[in-house]
Amino acid sequence: GQQLNQSPQSMFIQEGEDVSMNCTSSSIFNTWLWYKQDPGEGPVLLIALYKAGELTSNGRLTAQFGTTRKDSFLNISASIPSDVGIYFCAGQRSDDMRFGAGTRLTVKP
Amino acid sequence: GAVVSQHPSRVICKSGTSVKIECRSLDFQATTMFWYRQFPKQSLMLMATSNEGSKATYEQGVEKDKFLINHASLTLSTLTVTSAHPEDSSFYICSARDRARLNSPLHFGNGTRLTVT
Repeated sequence: GQQLNQSPQSMFIQEGEDVSMNCTSSSIFNTWLWYKQDPGEGPVLLIALYKAGELTSNGRLTAQFGTTRKDSFLNISASIPSDVGIYFCAGQRSDDMRFGAGTRLTVKP
Repeated sequence: GAVVSQHPSRVICKSGTSVKIECRSLDFQATTMFWYRQFPKQSLMLMATSNEGSKATYEQGVEKDKFLINHASLTLSTLTVTSAHPEDSSFYICSARDRARLNSPLHFGNGTRLTVT
């Protein structure tokens, strides 16, 4: 199915740096979700956003549901080595869910 | 939080045999579960939607006779890869949503690494 446009594809950062990634779509979604996937495991839900304009934090993670309902971003502050992994955005409406291609994050100690 | 259990986590089988993968929602009921396939360094590709008590809905290009899905209860869906071939080797992941919570997010199993020799 149609995927969301997620960028960047990959990031190589130094420990302690902040990270920002985003997702855009040509379609409107009712819910935006951000997941993290570690190698060999399934994605784990980080943040769920349910209202346009909503800004939600989970520890060092902050995500926003765009006001047009067609985009979302995820910020990670003060990155640490265990932040390494692939981050996926997902847009959801009813039972239809679309995923971004993922952002592969590498954190250098 | 919602937990989805997937079993087995790894399986190696010979060409021509069939493999069954189970997906269970442990603390919620799911009318619908989803099955994905993931190739290395790629995103999740939806294969099919598993519907409790009715036939699964397959995405275009996914052979329903090859990937048999059964959703016999509100907490269990199974994916059977029939007559497996090496090209079926992949990472398979299921997900489910709590039917009692409106707009609840999908929760994923830990995936099954299938290797066909």
